[in-house]
Amino acid sequence: DTGVSQDPRHKITKRGQNVTFRCDPISEHNRLYWYRQTLGQGPEFLTYFQNEAQLEKSRLLSDRFSAERPKGSFSTLEIQRTEQGDSAMYLCASSPKGTDSPLHFGNGTRLTVT
Amino acid sequence: AQSVTQLDSHVSVSEGTPVLLRCNYSSSYSPSLFWYVQHPNKGLQLLLKYTSAATLVKGINGFEAEFKKSETSFHLTKPSAHMSDAAEYFCVVSEGPGRRALTFGSGTRLQVQP
Repeated sequence: DTGVSQDPRHKITKRGQNVTFRCDPISEHNRLYWYRQTLGQGPEFLTYFQNEAQLEKSRLLSDRFSAERPKGSFSTLEIQRTEQGDSAMYLCASSPKGTDSPLHFGNGTRLTVT
Repeated sequence: AQSVTQLDSHVSVSEGTPVLLRCNYSSSYSPSLFWYVQHPNKGLQLLLKYTSAATLVKGINGFEAEFKKSETSFHLTKPSAHMSDAAEYFCVVSEGPGRRALTFGSGTRLQVQP
């Protein structure tokens, strides 16, 4: 169990640019989640995959955000036309099947939009 | 929608004294409740979870929490604080039946003084 891996750890981008983050979940976990955490706040749910199917999306996930999990393994989160308000820590988590299975979180990708 | 309120943004205790981190929840369903801990530069880690079994839940590192439906509370306690307990703690509620999203509180930063 190597844990949930996120890449990159940090990303600095200029407003208007597109960015893409990657998440590699724990290999036997079929559920994958994206959360966003801003300074001084708890994580906010963005979206959830079961295998390759995106089953839940938050209203926070505007049209500029898109997430994929094409083969039910790793996932990507893309933000188009970044805005300063997108600056945050983006957290990925995975969990096995089962009601209320605990989420295993990665260390996150910190995005700074200048 | 479910929600959680963490009543203290900061708590400071002396090493060896008891810890109490307070959480109230709001739920239309019988909720599942969790406490997660976040150490600096580390991923979120599950401390304990309540899923309608025993109302007193024991977690890792000597922490426990009691589910009190009449008070809609799920406070986290530890009899004796250790320096390594200094971290951010999040009270979390599940969104409800069939939903995978979790709602996090805004967090309580625990400081442990020597």
